[in-house]
Amino acid sequence: GQSLEQPSEVTAVEGAIVQINCTYQTSGFYGLSWYQQHDGGAPTFLSYNALDGLEETGRFSSFLSRSDSYGYLLLQELQMKDSASYFCAVTGGYQKVTFGTGTKLQVIP
Amino acid sequence: DAGVIQSPRHEVTEMGQEVTLRCKPISGHDYLFWYRQTMMRGLELLIYFNNNVPIDDSGMPEDRFSAKMPNASFSTLKIQPSEPRDSAVYFCASSLVGTGTHGYTFGSGTRLTVV
Repeated sequence: GQSLEQPSEVTAVEGAIVQINCTYQTSGFYGLSWYQQHDGGAPTFLSYNALDGLEETGRFSSFLSRSDSYGYLLLQELQMKDSASYFCAVTGGYQKVTFGTGTKLQVIP
Repeated sequence: DAGVIQSPRHEVTEMGQEVTLRCKPISGHDYLFWYRQTMMRGLELLIYFNNNVPIDDSGMPEDRFSAKMPNASFSTLKIQPSEPRDSAVYFCASSLVGTGTHGYTFGSGTRLTVV
């Protein structure tokens, strides 16, 4: 089966940098994704890492270490609108995508 | 493109009634997924289709749940009979590939309340 662990809540100050970690267990591995979900909204895709290293997309970056079964999402220059839940999701055996339980990020002034 | 379209947005029904949720995926997306989201269990994959064919329905809770995809532009998730524990937000998502490389595009969801 597949399982993921990520912190349930994180609080950070506007303008700062925050890192949301994710560890996973899976039989077979294709990649690790990140999604953002605002309260009452739908999850929206942020990034996908299939290989080790850092992928940067604007203020957001995502990192993967396959040997450690670990990844993180890095958000820079935090804005109030970044307050949302962030989910990591692993694509494992049979290309099945399993989502983590989500990290609720609160950005404070 | 209008994105993934789900209907209805909200559904309130009485226990024992039949509920049908509808989804129109993005044109050209070969994969369609039904997810259920609750506070307790998070986002759970119920079933997914590839080219209109059900591939993995191991997440469907029980026989009360069924899903169909009669053509590339329409899918339904049916619950019969509904129970209070089915109350959740049900999302439909579609994608070009199944591995998630380009991400899944989610619809706005259907918030189901069974009383």
